[in-house]
Amino acid sequence: EAQVTQNPRYLITVTGKKLTVTCSQNMNHEYMSWYRQDPGLGLRQIYYSMNVEVTDKGDVPEGYKVSRKEKRNFPLILESPSPNQTSLYFCASSSDRGYEQYFGPGTRLTVT
Amino acid sequence: QKEVEQNSGPLSVPEGAIASLNCTYSDRGSQSFFWYRQYSGKSPELIMFIYSNGDKEDGRFTAQLNKASQYVSLLIRDSQPSDSATYLCAVRGGGADGLTFGKGTHLIIQP
Repeated sequence: EAQVTQNPRYLITVTGKKLTVTCSQNMNHEYMSWYRQDPGLGLRQIYYSMNVEVTDKGDVPEGYKVSRKEKRNFPLILESPSPNQTSLYFCASSSDRGYEQYFGPGTRLTVT
Repeated sequence: QKEVEQNSGPLSVPEGAIASLNCTYSDRGSQSFFWYRQYSGKSPELIMFIYSNGDKEDGRFTAQLNKASQYVSLLIRDSQPSDSATYLCAVRGGGADGLTFGKGTHLIIQP
């Protein structure tokens, strides 16, 4: 089954404790992206990657890091999480940046 | 800063009627336009995409694009209660960047 998986689905952590949210896709897609979704602000792109070892900032990259060492994986790293990073995070992939994006199930992160 | 604007709603439509959702965008160089549906607590799913001016129909859904006026719309015919969701408009620019999403329109289909 073609899918994008994210782990964990739910995470509660404390300020400053480094965390990683994993994202993996099994569709051999080149393009992957991370979004955060907040009430009243909609979906905002954090980082995207057009291929292995190629990443670029989206609209809200501050406080986040990503890496793309393999085509299927695109982890999101929060080196020192803060409460304003409490949000719902989605990973997405597509065969091209302009085509249909398949979204993962989401990760609800709470930083206290 | 690219902007995509949608009326947040809620937009209430009787069952069986036509629901009309609108979206405007600021980047005149935008190339691709998408409509996603998102149920509460779920991830967005693509329902329509359109690249050229005019109408594109898929079942009960019709996407309309007018690049000169910089707007894109989604019509849902014979609306069903299961169509109740938030509809997100997304736009891809002409450069090597990703999608910009609108904040979404909350649609309620009244039985």
